[in-house]
Amino acid sequence: QSALTQPASVSGSPGQSITISCTGTSSDVGGYNYVSWYQLHPGKAPKLMIYEVTNRPSGVSDRFSGSKSGNTASLTISGLQPEDEADYYCSSYTTSTTVIFGGGTKLTVL
Amino acid sequence: EVQLLESGGGLVQPGGSLRLSCAASGFTFSIYGMSWVRQAPGKGLEWVSGLSSSGSSTYYADSVKGRFTISRDNSKKTVYLQLNSLRVEDTAVYFCAKDRRGLSSFDYWGQGILVTVSS
Repeated sequence: QSALTQPASVSGSPGQSITISCTGTSSDVGGYNYVSWYQLHPGKAPKLMIYEVTNRPSGVSDRFSGSKSGNTASLTISGLQPEDEADYYCSSYTTSTTVIFGGGTKLTVL
Repeated sequence: EVQLLESGGGLVQPGGSLRLSCAASGFTFSIYGMSWVRQAPGKGLEWVSGLSSSGSSTYYADSVKGRFTISRDNSKKTVYLQLNSLRVEDTAVYFCAKDRRGLSSFDYWGQGILVTVSS
């Protein structure tokens, strides 16, 4: 099964908003509300930012929000801050009782 | 504080075996599923395997099915990943992750352990 499709890179200036898309199929993203988003800083453990499409874990800034339409999920980061610069990955539960990740998006804060 | 500490990585020849361990603390280990996720050098995240809280249900990515085995010992609060018939393409940092709810998402992760498969 191929990875979910994410843009390789996005960028924005401090204070701006950016959106990262994550496209799958009806067997994963479109079939379940089990889309998650993770933030990876080099050399650190991945951090869960959004779960079940729209939910933020305790401690995650409300500048991060998630949504889904059909087979495409999206992560929006508003009020960009320098510390948001990282790699972001989406994931989804699948009909095969597995988990599939996106290819990852490198966010650059200009 | 939730902590997940992986161990057992290292250098192994193609065709060889390795067993990874992940020691958990800071939460009620026996009621949560656990998973392993890997990241090959310069590549993205790849879910490898998961198992239920009791260990009775196990799940694998097609890329490792038949070669890797996941298990757990709730009395030791530890999850394992047995890696057999290793290939060069299995070279990666392997992360242990706590399932938030049944493979829906992973709310805590370890720092990762490097497995290098090379002759």
